[in-house]
Amino acid sequence: EPEVTQTPSHQVTQMGQEVILRCVPISNHLYFYWYRQILGQKVEFLVSFYNNEISEKSEIFDDQFSVERPDGSNFTLKIRSTKLEDSAMYFCASSDWAYNEQFFGPGTRLTVL
Amino acid sequence: AQKITQTQPGMFVQEKEAVTLDCTYDTSDPSYGLFWYKQPSSGEMIFLIYQGSYDQQNATEGRYSLNFQKARKSANLVISASQLGDSAMYFCAMRAPNSGNTPLVFGKGTRLSVIA
Repeated sequence: EPEVTQTPSHQVTQMGQEVILRCVPISNHLYFYWYRQILGQKVEFLVSFYNNEISEKSEIFDDQFSVERPDGSNFTLKIRSTKLEDSAMYFCASSDWAYNEQFFGPGTRLTVL
Repeated sequence: AQKITQTQPGMFVQEKEAVTLDCTYDTSDPSYGLFWYKQPSSGEMIFLIYQGSYDQQNATEGRYSLNFQKARKSANLVISASQLGDSAMYFCAMRAPNSGNTPLVFGKGTRLSVIA
């Protein structure tokens, strides 16, 4: 069964460093999303992406964040200068058309020291 | 603005019994979708069931059913014949309007513990 994959599963970084989180959505899906979940809290939307551009972004998704689909299969989230409060589980999700469920990847746990 | 409320931070259920997890929502959009996800201790988010606002019938998926009461704006998840593997966090989520790239809005979740 096709699934969304994410790498790495766990990333530890120093405050101020850049990180890139990688996702491979399900191959025939067209809509891509990033969410994050701070430990013990609810899942929060960051950004959605369709047709090689951002469709919508939340107030969390400030200038320190960017997304890219560099090669038609990968979908990346970059945080330019990480802060302690960026520590969270980051989920990538994809869906095949607007009305269907979003399938989530296993997540990347980011720890900023 | 859309909002999802899950009022039960934790629930216990005996194995083989049925359990209902509550979810209420708020939106002014007539077109919306309601979703339930399961998050086991390993952390992944597993899609369980979906209900569209215009669907006439309550959604069912195996042991999962969604008790959709539109007038009350509730979308409770019913798990029948609970199993030990059902122990997890359960999140209710909504997408409104139910189109385009509309992101999901999640509730705070309910932690379900199944007791042998």
